[in-house]
Amino acid sequence: GENVEQHPSTLSVQEGDSAVIKCTYSDSASNYFPWYKQELGKGPQLIIDIRSNVGEKKDQRIAVTLNKTAKHFSLHITETQPEDSAVYFCAASGRSGNTPLVFGKGTRLSVIA
Amino acid sequence: KAGVTQTPRYLIKTRGQQVTLSCSPISGHRSVSWYQQTPGQGLQFLFEYFSETQRNKGNFPGRFSGRQFSNSRSEMNVSTLELGDSALYLCASSPKRDVGYEQYFGPGTRLTVT
Repeated sequence: GENVEQHPSTLSVQEGDSAVIKCTYSDSASNYFPWYKQELGKGPQLIIDIRSNVGEKKDQRIAVTLNKTAKHFSLHITETQPEDSAVYFCAASGRSGNTPLVFGKGTRLSVIA
Repeated sequence: KAGVTQTPRYLIKTRGQQVTLSCSPISGHRSVSWYQQTPGQGLQFLFEYFSETQRNKGNFPGRFSGRQFSNSRSEMNVSTLELGDSALYLCASSPKRDVGYEQYFGPGTRLTVT
């Protein structure tokens, strides 16, 4: 089955700097790659997603890139703010849309003011 | 639209007991999935329901079960609780028919087994 590896497990950046989180997946047939943000005491919140027919997607300060050949995708957050501090999870779905999401273990991002 | 709601938010049970957790999806969403979140294992898929039918099941023992009602609300049940069942149980709903697409999560139910 699908396996998703996420790095780094923790990341500290200065406010205003950029943050990059990387994930690799094992199933070359995976075609949907969402990113979630989880704040303390809350459930994961979908912040951006990308499908396999797209190489990059942006939404204001966040962007996701996908390299299907290398089977990895990354989350980029620019101009980080203290409210970006949270745990971020990547995920991938398998061979068909009816295959459940497999999540990475998460990255704890701390933005230092 | 109101988000996914889960009740109760916190629960303390004793080993050997059983527990039922409830989830109300976003209005109009017919797919409901359940996940277990622990510090060691991360987010793990339990099962998914669509139109009252279980379509997918994760790798969990039969003590974990669920159901979905005609109004899309869902419940999950854990019988004969073990200490290792202590976790945050998350419910997610989707506007899509397929479970491998966007999921919208509730705040979770924190279950502690003593």
